[in-house]
Amino acid sequence: EVQLVESGGGLVKPGGSLRLSCAASGFTFRSYTMAWVRQAPGKGLEWVSSISSSGSYIYYADSVKGRFTISRDSAKNSLYLQMNSLRADDTAVYSCAREDCTTVGCSSHLAWFDPWGQGTLVTVSS
Amino acid sequence: QSVLTQPPSASGTPGQRVTISCSGSNSNIGINPVNWYQHLPGTTPKVLIHSNNQWPSGVPDRFSGSKSGTSASLAISGLQSEDEADYYCATWDDSLNGWVFGGGTKVTVL
Repeated sequence: EVQLVESGGGLVKPGGSLRLSCAASGFTFRSYTMAWVRQAPGKGLEWVSSISSSGSYIYYADSVKGRFTISRDSAKNSLYLQMNSLRADDTAVYSCAREDCTTVGCSSHLAWFDPWGQGTLVTVSS
Repeated sequence: QSVLTQPPSASGTPGQRVTISCSGSNSNIGINPVNWYQHLPGTTPKVLIHSNNQWPSGVPDRFSGSKSGTSASLAISGLQSEDEADYYCATWDDSLNGWVFGGGTKVTVL
């Protein structure tokens, strides 16, 4: 069964840091582009960042550029999100998602998110 | 303000057809495929339609997608109570070099 399980969320003060992890299983992790998507309370879905299968291509939403860093460890089948300089508007449930495609390794613009993890809650508050 | 524009809500009675629109621009919907996600309360989002009009396995054909120019739409035929959920369109934006989502449409079955 394809599964994504996030961890690392919690309460952090404004300006603080947090590192999220996503453990993948049930598929060949090293072959897929992976992404982080968040949902703030009462708001819609917002893409945060994507990293290609090799790690060579990395993309960020403007809202997190310069503060967040996405990375992956294919030996551990894990995806990470290092979040620095956190702000109140970063409060959200953060989910990891696989970018799936008709052909493995396609460009992001041809992909879709499937599956999604359950998410981990990050609360930024003093 | 979302890059893709969706109506905040839509509703219908059981059995009716409901359509949700998603408006974008030449840098996103105009040149890239559109995907649709269903988000039921307490669950993870699920892809309903990918690549404008393709069904993932297990998705009933009551759901259908289409795209024309810089707009896309999702139609739900034979509306059922279990279709009450939030629906999001999404696509890649070549100008932003990233994924963009619509603001979401809450579907209510009356």
